[in-house]
Formats: sequence, structure tokens, C-alpha cells
Amino acid sequence: EVQLVESGGGLVKPGGSLRLSCAASGFTFSNAWMSWVRQAPGKGLEWVGRIKSKTDGGTTNYAAPVKGRFTISRDDSKNTLYLQMNSLKTEDTAVYYCITDLSWFDYWGQGTLVTVSS
Amino acid sequence: DIQMTQSPSSLSASVGDRVTITCRASQSISSYLNWYQQKPGKAPKLLIYAASSLQSGVPSRFSGSGSGTDFTLTISSLQPEDFATYYCQQSYSTITFGPGTRLEIK
Repeated sequence: EVQLVESGGGLVKPGGSLRLSCAASGFTFSNAWMSWVRQAPGKGLEWVGRIKSKTDGGTTNYAAPVKGRFTISRDDSKNTLYLQMNSLKTEDTAVYYCITDLSWFDYWGQGTLVTVSS
Repeated sequence: DIQMTQSPSSLSASVGDRVTITCRASQSISSYLNWYQQKPGKAPKLLIYAASSLQSGVPSRFSGSGSGTDFTLTISSLQPEDFATYYCQQSYSTITFGPGTRLEIK
């Protein structure tokens, strides 16, 4: 059974940093492209970024609002995906989901809430 | 970025109704269009991928069609568990989602 479990969310002040983790199981993580999607309270879905598998180059792509501030990485030895978030803004407040990425998003974690507030 | 619009933004319907939700892309996206269902407090669930392919385990009352810029999600006979918010998403270029369609009980 595919499982994606996010952790690391919490309350952070504007300008601060936070690192989210996503522990994956039930599939061959090293072969998977992975994405992060977020959802602000009461709002719609917003793609954050993607990391390809190392065999496909391991490259990353980001949405414009987070480019230069957020970094996606992976540790295939630990089956874990990361989202390093720096220079956080109040508008980054959202539930962040870790997702398997086949161009469509078939498996989603339960999400972790990040609140950016002073 | 490609902009996605959905209509209607909200919809009231009854159990047993046939419902159609429309998604439009600001430029052609071929068939790179996916549909998701989200219930309150839950992660979204993939329903349809590549415009018309039914995700495994999704009931056959859900169907998708379209290509280019115009797409539809159809629920042939609404069930109580179908009342939720539906999102389209394009993967032709930088991924974007539609704003969602809230399906409510009449």
C-alpha cells in the first residue's frame, strides 16, 4: 500500500524557515517523480514544485511564487522527500501535500499545515 | 502560465442527477488534463487522468472528455458521496489547477 506521510509543519514568523519531510513507502521511491502541492485555508490547490527521479536527471521545477525561496530535495536511501522553505511570507500559509507525480497526481499524503504569522 | 477556468463555480444537484462540470484552458493542452475530487478536511483524490482515463477504483459513473482547450467531467447519476469540490489540472506545461467547482446537495 502506498503511504506518504508529511511532517515538519508548524507556526513560523515571516522571514523564517521551515523544512517539511515526506516519508514514502509502498512503492519504489527512487524511481518516482514527486511534487508538492499546497492549499491555503479555504482556497484552491496550488502546485509548488517537482523533483524528478535521479535516473531522469533529478532536476527540480518550481512555481513562480516560490522560486528562489523553496528547495525540493530527496534522499532515496531514506525514501524521503523534503521541502526547504526560506524567507517565508504570510501568503505561504497553507496545508502542504506530498504527492507522487506521473504528470497526474495519483497518491497524496494527508498534508501538513504551515502557518506563517507574527 | 496556462490559466484554467471552471464552470460553474458552484452547483446544487440532487441524488440521481446527471452533472457536468466544464474546464477550459487558456491555450491548447492536448489531453494533458486531470480531474480531482476533494472532500472537506481530506486530500484530493484523482478521478480522471489524461482527459478521459478513469483512475483505478473510481466508479464508472465518472467520465471525462475533451481535448485542446475544452474539457468536461460528467457524473452520470449523483450519489450522496459525490458531494464535494472538483478541480481540473493541466500538466501540459507548468502545472496549474482550475479554481474548483463546489457540488452541493439541493
